[in-house]
Amino acid sequence: QSALTQPPSASGSPGQLVTISCTGTSSDVGGYNYVSWYQQHPGKAPKLMIYEVTKRPSGVPDRFSGSRSGNTASLTVSGLQPEDEADYYCSSYAGYNNLIFGGGTKLTVL
Amino acid sequence: EVQLVQSGAEVKKSGESLKISCKGSGNTFSTYWIAWVRQMPGKGLEWMGVIYPGDSDTRYSPSFQGQVTISADKSINTAYLQWSSLKASDTAMYYCTRRSGWPTGGFDPWGQGTLVTVSS
Repeated sequence: QSALTQPPSASGSPGQLVTISCTGTSSDVGGYNYVSWYQQHPGKAPKLMIYEVTKRPSGVPDRFSGSRSGNTASLTVSGLQPEDEADYYCSSYAGYNNLIFGGGTKLTVL
Repeated sequence: EVQLVQSGAEVKKSGESLKISCKGSGNTFSTYWIAWVRQMPGKGLEWMGVIYPGDSDTRYSPSFQGQVTISADKSINTAYLQWSSLKASDTAMYYCTRRSGWPTGGFDPWGQGTLVTVSS
């Protein structure tokens, strides 16, 4: 099973809106409502930002939102803040008790 | 607040065995799934497998099946990841993390990570 496809990098200025995509297939992203997004700052453990495509854990700012269209999931960050600069990873259940991650996107706040 | 505390960094030689641990706080350890995730230096996240400590039901990624063993001891709220014969390519940071259901939910929280360095 190949990794999900994410753009290597994304950027935006403070206050702007940025969207990161995560493309899979009908056997993973498009087939199950189990897409999650994780934020990882350098040298730190990942942090859950979105689960089950659109759900936001308590404590995660509502500037972060998730969506899906067909086989592509998206993480949108509105009102970009300097502390949002980090690596972002998507993951999806892929059936047969398998789970896959995307290659990661480095988000830069200009 | 649930916390996952992992064992410390390890430096090993190729061919040696290793078992690292992940200890959970609270009395709900047995009712959640615990997963292991690898992150090689400068690379992305890779899901290795998951275990339900309540009955030790274990699922492996096809990429890691047969390469590692995941186990748990619910009496001491601890999950383990072990290798019987390490390779230099096993050098990585390894994270444990919790999931409320399988495959539902998301991975939260995460342990602090265990750095494994294997020299050839």
